[in-house]
Amino acid sequence: DADVTQTPRNRITKTGKRIMLECSQTKGHDRMYWYRQDPGLGLRLIYYSFDVKDINKGEISDGYSVSRQAQAKFSLSLESAIPNQTALYFCATSDLSKSEQFFGPGTRLTVL
Amino acid sequence: GENVEQHPSTLSVQEGDSAVIKCTYSDSASNYFPWYKQELGKRPQLIIDIRSNVGEKKDQRIAVTLNKTAKHFSLHITETQPEDSAVYFCAASIRLGGSQGNLIFGKGTKLSVKP
Repeated sequence: DADVTQTPRNRITKTGKRIMLECSQTKGHDRMYWYRQDPGLGLRLIYYSFDVKDINKGEISDGYSVSRQAQAKFSLSLESAIPNQTALYFCATSDLSKSEQFFGPGTRLTVL
Repeated sequence: GENVEQHPSTLSVQEGDSAVIKCTYSDSASNYFPWYKQELGKRPQLIIDIRSNVGEKKDQRIAVTLNKTAKHFSLHITETQPEDSAVYFCAASIRLGGSQGNLIFGKGTKLSVKP
């Protein structure tokens, strides 16, 4: 089945380290998103990309960067991780002409 | 920009009872309103959605209603079952032409269904 995958699924790192979270999809969707989930705060959009040459900031992009390496791959980087970036991170995809977003399984990141 | 508020943040019901979760939105141009369910340790998944040209939509035990004048929409779950226990998120976005805008999510409602 076509799916959205994320690596790693869990990561513990230290303050100041650079870390990359990766997202791949086999759904053939054009659009990809990175969200952050914190308890009681819902899902907040970090970055989104409508195609390989299109990158846009979301609601909470400070401290993050992204790369769209191919239609199927969208990576999120934390250049210098800090403890308040500890959260559950979700990648999502959607088709250009449709509304439903499909989420990956999530990456639980802990910054010590 | 759009702001979506969701209430209540937690909801506990007895199995078989109904559950209602309400959301309000701020941007009158929003025209698409999905609901996502996230079971413990799982990814969010779409369970039902409604567009602004429709006032109500049903799918078995779940239904969504939309009041455009008041800018609020609600999720109704009837005959609740323990497997309905999850966090539910509402969202809103604007569809322009053939393209869907970004989703703005509410903060979620944790529903617990007691057997």
